[in-house]
Amino acid sequence: TQLLEQSPQFLSIQEGENLTVYCNSSSVFSSLQWYRQEPGEGPVLLVTVVTGGEVKKLKRLTFQFGDARKDSSLHITAAQPGDTGLYLCAGQTYNTDKLIFGTGTRLQVFP
Amino acid sequence: ETGVTQTPRHLVMGMTNKKSLKCEQHLGHNAMYWYKQSAKKPLELMFVYSLEERVENNSVPSRFSPECPNSSHLFLHLHTLQPEDSALYLCASSQDGTGVYEQYFGPGTRLTVT
Repeated sequence: TQLLEQSPQFLSIQEGENLTVYCNSSSVFSSLQWYRQEPGEGPVLLVTVVTGGEVKKLKRLTFQFGDARKDSSLHITAAQPGDTGLYLCAGQTYNTDKLIFGTGTRLQVFP
Repeated sequence: ETGVTQTPRHLVMGMTNKKSLKCEQHLGHNAMYWYKQSAKKPLELMFVYSLEERVENNSVPSRFSPECPNSSHLFLHLHTLQPEDSALYLCASSQDGTGVYEQYFGPGTRLTVT
C-alpha cells in the first residue's frame, strides 16, 4: 500500500513565524501536488511539482520536490492567519496515474 | 457557475432513507471522482469515472451507487446508510491524458446519518 506521511500532524503558531511541513513516502511519484483546505470547503490546488529537486514559490510559500521524487516540503515564511487550514500533499503514481493523498497537516496561525 | 459545484451542502438522513448527492463541473474536464473525508483519516477515493465510464471502484459498499450521465455531471445515490458513513463527501474533476492529473474539488456535502 502506498502511503504519504505528513508531519507534523498539527501546528499552532503565532503570526510572523516560519514553518515547514513535510510529506514523505517510500514510493516514487511522477508528480506531487499540494492542496489547502479550509473548514467547510473542498481542497484547493496550490502547486504541482514534477521534476526531482524542483522548487516553486507562491508568494510566501516555497515548495520543493525531493531529488528522488519520494518526498516534498512546504515552507511558509512569516505566516499569517489567512494561512490557517488543512494542508494536503498528493502524489501521482506512475503505474495507475492515481493521486494518493497524504495524512494532512492542520495549521493554525494566531494573530 | 464556475469550477465544481456540489448539492446539497449539508444532508441529514436516517438509515432507511434514500438520497442522492449531485456534482457538476464547469471546467470541460473528462474525469470525475468521488472521495470520502472522515476525521483523522486521509482522503479516501471511492469512484473514478473517465470519459463517463467507471474505471475504479475502491471496494465501496453497495449502499453507495454512483452515476455519471455525462462528462459534466456525477451523482452518488445513497440508501440504507450506516452512522459510520457520516463524513464530508467530495467531488473532484480533472483532465486526463495530459500527463499531470491536477484535481479540482467541489466544496463537499457534509452528510450526517442518524
